[in-house]
Amino acid sequence: EVQLVESGGGLVKPGGSLRLSCAASGFTFSSYSMNWVRQAPGKGLEWVSSISSSSSYIYYADSVKGRFTISRDNAKNSLYLQMNSLRAEDTAVYYCARDRFMVQGALSWFDPWGQGTLVTVSS
Amino acid sequence: QSVLTQPPSVSGAPGQRVTISCTGSSSNIGAGYDVHWYQQLPGTAPKLLIYGNSNRPSGVPDRFSGSKSGTSASLAITGLQAEDEADYYCQSYDSSLSGNWVFGGGTKLTVL
Repeated sequence: EVQLVESGGGLVKPGGSLRLSCAASGFTFSSYSMNWVRQAPGKGLEWVSSISSSSSYIYYADSVKGRFTISRDNAKNSLYLQMNSLRAEDTAVYYCARDRFMVQGALSWFDPWGQGTLVTVSS
Repeated sequence: QSVLTQPPSVSGAPGQRVTISCTGSSSNIGAGYDVHWYQQLPGTAPKLLIYGNSNRPSGVPDRFSGSKSGTSASLAITGLQAEDEADYYCQSYDSSLSGNWVFGGGTKLTVL
């Protein structure tokens, strides 16, 4: 069974840092691009970042560019999101989601999704 | 403000047909990029419902269908059931400077 399990969320003060992890199982992790998508409380979905299977291609939403860093370890079947200089507006459930392709692109869709991990930025 | 525009809510009685629209622009749907749809049941993660405008993943009932025309796309649900009550999101790719993969704001479907 394909499974994605996020961890690392929690309460952090504005300006602080947090590192999210996503453990993948049930598929060949190194063959797929991966994504982070977030959902603020009561709001819609927002794509955050994407990394290709070999980490060659990395993209960020403008809202997190320069503050967040996506990475992966194919040997550990794991995806990461390092979040620095956190702001109140970063408060959200963060989902990791598998891309359809080895190299993400205009045709990409996201399936499956993990259960999400909540990040709360508050003083 | 989402790049793709969806109605905030739609409703229908059991057995009825409802449609959810997703309106974009010339930098996303109008540019020919595919539209995908996700269903998010209360308290759960999103689930892929339709990919590539009109294709259903295995396990998705054929009551769900998708279409695309011009700068818009639609999700149709026929034979509404109580378990269809959920939030629905469209997603596409945007070639403008501001973003890459974009979502609609979501539509809450209420089964009356």
